[in-house]
Amino acid sequence: EDQVTQSPEALRLQEGESSSLNCSYTVSGLRGLFWYRQDPGKGPEFLFTLYSAGEEKEKERLKATLTKKESFLHITAPKPEDSATYLCAGAQGGSEKLVFGKGTKLTVNP
Amino acid sequence: DARVTQTPRHKVTEMGQEVTMRCQPILGHNTVFWYRQTMMQGLELLAYFRNRAPLDDSGMPKDRFSAEMPDATLATLKIQPSEPRDSAVYFCASGLTRYEQYFGPGTRLTVT
Repeated sequence: EDQVTQSPEALRLQEGESSSLNCSYTVSGLRGLFWYRQDPGKGPEFLFTLYSAGEEKEKERLKATLTKKESFLHITAPKPEDSATYLCAGAQGGSEKLVFGKGTKLTVNP
Repeated sequence: DARVTQTPRHKVTEMGQEVTMRCQPILGHNTVFWYRQTMMQGLELLAYFRNRAPLDDSGMPKDRFSAEMPDATLATLKIQPSEPRDSAVYFCASGLTRYEQYFGPGTRLTVT
């Protein structure tokens, strides 16, 4: 069964304290690995797509990387406005389906 | 700024009642997805459409859920009869390329 597992479930950081979120996946024929940000009471907001092992994407303080078994979302010198739940999803080969992990809730304290 | 819109944003209903949720995808997007999000299960795909035709509804309880796209600007998700276990946030998403999905703000459903 296709699965996406994210760790940790929750992470508290001090402003400026860099860290990484993990997403491990077993998705048949993976066609892409997606990262979304979700703020309370809102829908997920697209951040990155990674298609092949070794690929990296950056946006402001966030950098996403992909290996053959997992993806990392690195957060450098986070700010309180980076507080959100970060969702990872794998795209199944042969369909438009995304299999989502349950997310990591990030809290950045000032 | 093109966005997916969903109505209603909140819905409280009693068990056994019919619930209809509506979604207006981003103009020009030809793929529409319905998801359900709960604390326990996370985000689950219920159904999706391409060019208004249903492609997959395997995530939906068939006996009580139905999804349709009457036209390119409207997608509906209906629950009849509703049950307390249906309480969740329901998201609609639309996209143009194969895996690109833009989510709406969601409908928070509470069934008592």
